[in-house]
Amino acid sequence: EAGVVQSPRYKIIEKKQPVAFWCNPISGHNTLYWYRQNLGQGPELLIRYENEEAVDDSQLPKDRFSAERLKGVDSTLKIQPAELGDSAVYLCASSLVVQANNMNTEAFFGQGTRLTVV
Amino acid sequence: AQTVTQSQPEMSVQEAETVTLSCTYDTSESDYYLFWYKQPPSRQMILVIRQEAYKQQNATENRFSVNFQKAAKSFSLKISDSQLGDAAMYFCAYRSDRFTQGGSEKLVFGKGTKLTVNP
Repeated sequence: EAGVVQSPRYKIIEKKQPVAFWCNPISGHNTLYWYRQNLGQGPELLIRYENEEAVDDSQLPKDRFSAERLKGVDSTLKIQPAELGDSAVYLCASSLVVQANNMNTEAFFGQGTRLTVV
Repeated sequence: AQTVTQSQPEMSVQEAETVTLSCTYDTSESDYYLFWYKQPPSRQMILVIRQEAYKQQNATENRFSVNFQKAAKSFSLKISDSQLGDAAMYFCAYRSDRFTQGGSEKLVFGKGTKLTVNP
């Protein structure tokens, strides 16, 4: 079974330019997460989707960041315009939550996109 | 808000020896989950072990085991018979139980411990 797939693996852009990251979660997983991991830190949640609905985006800098999850499957995360401080690894993860069974699998992560803003 | 603290930025161990990584957390919730994730240079977070707070028995997965002390809010990871492939960053993480606590599904991570395995 394929895991969480992210692209690109690396991206170098100049500040003020736009950039987009793509994530394909594990098939059947209804919950998708975008995390940002700064150098030497643990990941921090940017946004969480349940199906196509963003249910937790309190940590997303909405002036420059946007995300979408069309049809409740793939997701894109966009930054426009990028700033030097946005340099980080952007991780996507997915899990299956079944409310009827009070079940939530652990989150499975992709390999991330390393963004460098110069 | 919940916080997770890993007080050991770096640890080293000899191959075949045992090492323990420390983690403490702060929460007012009674139901939650704790995790240890491994992050090799490939950057992919790989789940090592999971512990449900309501379970008194410590979780084990082959060479990996935890010492879960709920009252002390401590969750350490023991790696036995260390192998070269165990070298990586290890992150301790907390997640609320949304079904009993109504909390978020998000993982709250510590800053990580870099484990080096010496041959």
